[in-house]
Amino acid sequence: ETGVTQSPTHLIKTRGQQVTLRCSSQSGHNTVSWYQQALGQGPQFIFQYYREEENGRGNFPPRFSGLQFPNYSSELNVNALELDDSALYLCASSLSSGGANTGELFFGEGSRLTVL
Amino acid sequence: KQEVTQIPAALSVPEGENLVLNCSFTDSAIYNLQWFRQDPGKGLTSLLLIQSSQREQTSGRLNASLDKSSGRSTLYIAASQPGDSATYLCAADNYGQNFVFGPGTRLSVLP
Repeated sequence: ETGVTQSPTHLIKTRGQQVTLRCSSQSGHNTVSWYQQALGQGPQFIFQYYREEENGRGNFPPRFSGLQFPNYSSELNVNALELDDSALYLCASSLSSGGANTGELFFGEGSRLTVL
Repeated sequence: KQEVTQIPAALSVPEGENLVLNCSFTDSAIYNLQWFRQDPGKGLTSLLLIQSSQREQTSGRLNASLDKSSGRSTLYIAASQPGDSATYLCAADNYGQNFVFGPGTRLSVLP
C-alpha cells in the first residue's frame, strides 16, 4: 500500500511569485485535503477535493487554488505569495462517500514553503 | 463554528509515567475524532480514530476516549517512553467535510 507523497519537500520563493505543490494520495483513497500549518500551530484547512471538484473550503483567499486529477492526485497553487504564506503545507488523503469523509485522514510529510 | 482546544500546551514527564492529554471541542455534532502525532518538521502520523458511534479506541499503549455530549476526548499513554516525545494533535471531523485541529500538546518524556 503506497502512502501519501508530497513534492517538493522544501522550497524558497520571493514575495509575489507563484508556487505549485503536488500530492499523490494513498492507494484506494478518493479524496484529497490540503492544510496549512504555521510554526507552533495546528493545521488549518484550506480545501478538499472529491471527484475532481472542490468540496469544501476554509477561510483562505482565492489566490489559493487547487486541482484533483483522475488518478486522485492533487495540486495546490498559490499566487501572489505573501510573507505570511510561509508554512508547512500538508496534504491528506481519505475515503469519502457522497463527498462526506468516512474514515481516517492520512498525511504526507509536507512541503515546507519559505517566502522571502 | 467548530473550535478545538488542547490542554496542557506542553508536558514534561519522567520515563515510565502514565499520562493523559485532553482535547475539547465546541460543536458536539462531529462525525469522527482523530488523534495524531507530529515529530518536529514532519507530517502527521495517525494514532487513533474514534468514530461518532464509538466511545473509545485502543492501540498498544494508547487509549483514546470520546464523550460527544461533553465535547471532550482524552488520549491516555501508558508507561511513557522517550520515543513518545512529540507533539500530539487532536482533530474533530466537522460534518465529514474537514477536520478542525487543536493547537497540540508538546510532550517530552525524560529518560
